[in-house]
Amino acid sequence: NAGVMQNPRHLVRRRGQEARLRCSPVKGHSHVYWYRQLPEEGLKFMVYLQKENIIDESGMPKERFSAEFPKEGPSILRIQQVVRGDSAAYFCASSPGPTAGGDTQYFGPGTRLTVL
Amino acid sequence: QKEVEQDPGPLSVPEGAIVSLNCTYSNSAFQYFMWYRQYSRKGPELLMYTYSSGNKEDGRFTAQVDKSSKYISLFIRDSQPSDSATYLCAMSKGAQKLVFGQGTRLTINP
Repeated sequence: NAGVMQNPRHLVRRRGQEARLRCSPVKGHSHVYWYRQLPEEGLKFMVYLQKENIIDESGMPKERFSAEFPKEGPSILRIQQVVRGDSAAYFCASSPGPTAGGDTQYFGPGTRLTVL
Repeated sequence: QKEVEQDPGPLSVPEGAIVSLNCTYSNSAFQYFMWYRQYSRKGPELLMYTYSSGNKEDGRFTAQVDKSSKYISLFIRDSQPSDSATYLCAMSKGAQKLVFGQGTRLTINP
């Protein structure tokens, strides 16, 4: 019974490059959330997606960041033209959704992005 | 003012002690309250999940929610070195984003 899977676990990019972070939710979960954790800080919400829909992107920076959760395949968080301030741990969480047994969010191990 | 306030610690106690961790919040619309445990360089692990006010117990862990005071607590009894981690409180209005506290770093000394 696999939990939330994220890859890569560690990602190093140079300034100006693109970063793609992938998240496979718990089997059967159709809701995905992305959070960012800066050093010595709590987790900050970025975006909430259901299959093929963005439900809430109020925490996403207006530029360079995008997210998708296609009908097939993992959810992708994409950061274009990365800057050093993007260095952080990015966590994905999934839930079955309120109509399917609750909205408890289960977290993956995270992707640690380092921008050189 | 942050929506959720949590003392970052660090907190260091001897093995076997009772640990009390707390968060306060400002948004009265929060209905669901959670505690997560996060080991260094790992993802948060759900410990306790509570709806509205009241107490919930699970083994050595007890979660309390006082909505009238906008205050939640996590108690750890008979603390063990393996409990050493960062503890994050989180809350939501339901089926929405979680709002986290800053996290309290806890060390249990053998």
